[in-house]
Amino acid sequence: ETGVTQTPRHLVMGMTNKKSLKCEQHLGHNAMYWYKQSAKKPLELMFVYNFKEQTENNSVPSRFSPECPNSSHLFLHLHTLQPEDSALYLCASSQDPLVTGNTEAFFGQGTRLTVV
Amino acid sequence: GQSLEQPSEVTAVEGAIVQINCTYQTSGFYGLSWYQQHDGGAPTFLSYNGLDGLEETGRFSSFLSRSDSYGYLLLQELQMKDSASYFCAVTAGGYQKVTFGTGTKLQVIP
Repeated sequence: ETGVTQTPRHLVMGMTNKKSLKCEQHLGHNAMYWYKQSAKKPLELMFVYNFKEQTENNSVPSRFSPECPNSSHLFLHLHTLQPEDSALYLCASSQDPLVTGNTEAFFGQGTRLTVV
Repeated sequence: GQSLEQPSEVTAVEGAIVQINCTYQTSGFYGLSWYQQHDGGAPTFLSYNGLDGLEETGRFSSFLSRSDSYGYLLLQELQMKDSASYFCAVTAGGYQKVTFGTGTKLQVIP
């Protein structure tokens, strides 16, 4: 248990569906992230939110839409996805490295997404 | 952009020592981290190096040479439970921009 909770753990959706992934942390962290993990590929950073403000969008297609209503919650809204979007989507959070001295990130268990 | 290279697979014997290397190319380097991920699990933080030298945490040590853009993770007294994927990650171009390598799958055999 890392303190970062993701729901659902597994999701199967059609290409015309709309769904949302949820991430929650109560570690008091100010930064939250979405990563995509595909087989035989590195973890790909998708979005970074710092104090609820999006500070990074790593050229992610618009069919992925993040939302950060407060510093403890992060959503990833999905619509009209493609089969190649099937992957493990990981949420992470971290504290300000100026405070901790490093950039340790705490990951959730991920949502295994399958697009059919 | 950033790029990292690490071996894709390593096999080692239980009780032995294994070193996993990581080389990187980046600008605005801030630090190098290591994460462990078991099959089906979430990545978990192992270590961080912001300065040159060796950091030791129990059976695991991590080393960084900023001038060589190189680091490694050293695992001693290997146990079967150490079988997992190990990722190096650089923080660069901003405190919270972390880029991961492709991971090294370590298999520990009896």
